[in-house]
Parts: sequence; C-alpha cells; structure tokens
Amino acid sequence: QQQVKQSPQSLIVQKGGISIINCAYENTAFDYFPWYQQFPGKGPALLIAIRPDVSEKKEGRFTISFNKSAKQFSLHIMDSQPGDSATYFCAASALYGGSQGNLIFGKGTKLSVKP
Amino acid sequence: NAGVTQTPKFQVLKTGQSMTLQCAQDMNHEYMSWYRQDPGMGLRLIHYSVGAGITDQGEVPNGYNVSRSTTEDFPLRLLSAAPSQTSVYFCASSYALAGYEQYFGPGTRLTVT
Repeated sequence: QQQVKQSPQSLIVQKGGISIINCAYENTAFDYFPWYQQFPGKGPALLIAIRPDVSEKKEGRFTISFNKSAKQFSLHIMDSQPGDSATYFCAASALYGGSQGNLIFGKGTKLSVKP
Repeated sequence: NAGVTQTPKFQVLKTGQSMTLQCAQDMNHEYMSWYRQDPGMGLRLIHYSVGAGITDQGEVPNGYNVSRSTTEDFPLRLLSAAPSQTSVYFCASSYALAGYEQYFGPGTRLTVT
C-alpha cells in the first residue's frame, strides 16, 4: 500500500527553468513532510521540510507548497541549474503516530537540468 | 564527525549465503533504520530501532534480522541471501523517531547471484 504518491517519475528542465515535483498522501495523521535529494552513488540528504501549520516554506531556490485539504504537497525549484540534477524523494510521517513516525517515501523523481 | 558509516560499499553473495551489513553513527542518535532502494520503488523501510535494545519491523522485514546492542551500531543480517535481495541498502539515523532530519550513510550495493 503506497501511502505517498509522487509524480512525475522523471523530469527534464532547461537551465533557468522551474522544476515542479508533486506528491499526494492518504494518511491524515501525517504531519511532517520532508524532501530528500540524492545524487548518484550517494545517500539521500534532507533538502527542505514543512509541517502543516504553514502553506509554504522557502529556502533559497527551493520552495515547498502544501495544501492540507487536498492532501498534496509539491517542491518547486526556481532557476534550475545543472547541479540540481538528482533524484528527489518526498516523504511523510506522523509525529505522534507510533510506528507512523517512520518516514514513508515516494518513489522518487529523476530530475535532469539541461545546460 | 564521520556521520553515518556503512561497510562494505559493495558485496556479491551467492544464493543461500549469509552476511552482515555494518552501520555505525557517531552523532549519539537514538533512532536508526535500514532501507532498501530498488529502481522505481523509492526507499522502503526494513527494520528500525528507537534505542539500544529496541528494534521493530518496517515495511519489508522478511529475510533480514537486526539487533541494537549499543547506541552507535545497528547491523543488518541477511540470513540466507536470495536474488530478490539484490538492492542498494542505506542505513540512517536521527535524533528521534519522528519529525527530525534523517542522516543517511553512503549505501551498500549488494548483488545476490
């Protein structure tokens, strides 16, 4: 049972463009939504995270938009650069849900930014 | 700080062999976990631990065993390797179970023939 659905599976963007990756979740107990970035041959690393008390969080060129009623959240990468080429994973967990505190990951989006 | 370290980096096993993937962290994190990553499947939780002496199953625990005798170490044992266990394995740690950044190790690429 996949609790976090991520799309698209792959994305090609021109340098300077906007990359958008979407995720949808089912479990209304989820209240922590991080995005992880993974470069080839490396482990994932936290990029940015949001909690449902805000609708948007921005860190540099990276922004998370969160829609609690639609149970959706998305990652926007502004002014995309070739160095942003990586696989991005959304995830979700429940702060007060026992074993639901474990992160549930989406299947990932492979982003390629063309020069 | 070395962070999260994993050994070995690569491993080839024959079907039926057993082995242990090592994971250690030096951040005094209580929570540690093991994931497997397969193409198009994302990261799936195998086992996790919320402290020394405490372990629990994740989404895909069959064929794997764990123990946590110290805060620093969380080894993953493959009891009888099968080709379906060919994957990249990541260990991660964080301050606590929920809502905190997870720090991932560099991974172990395992091939079972």
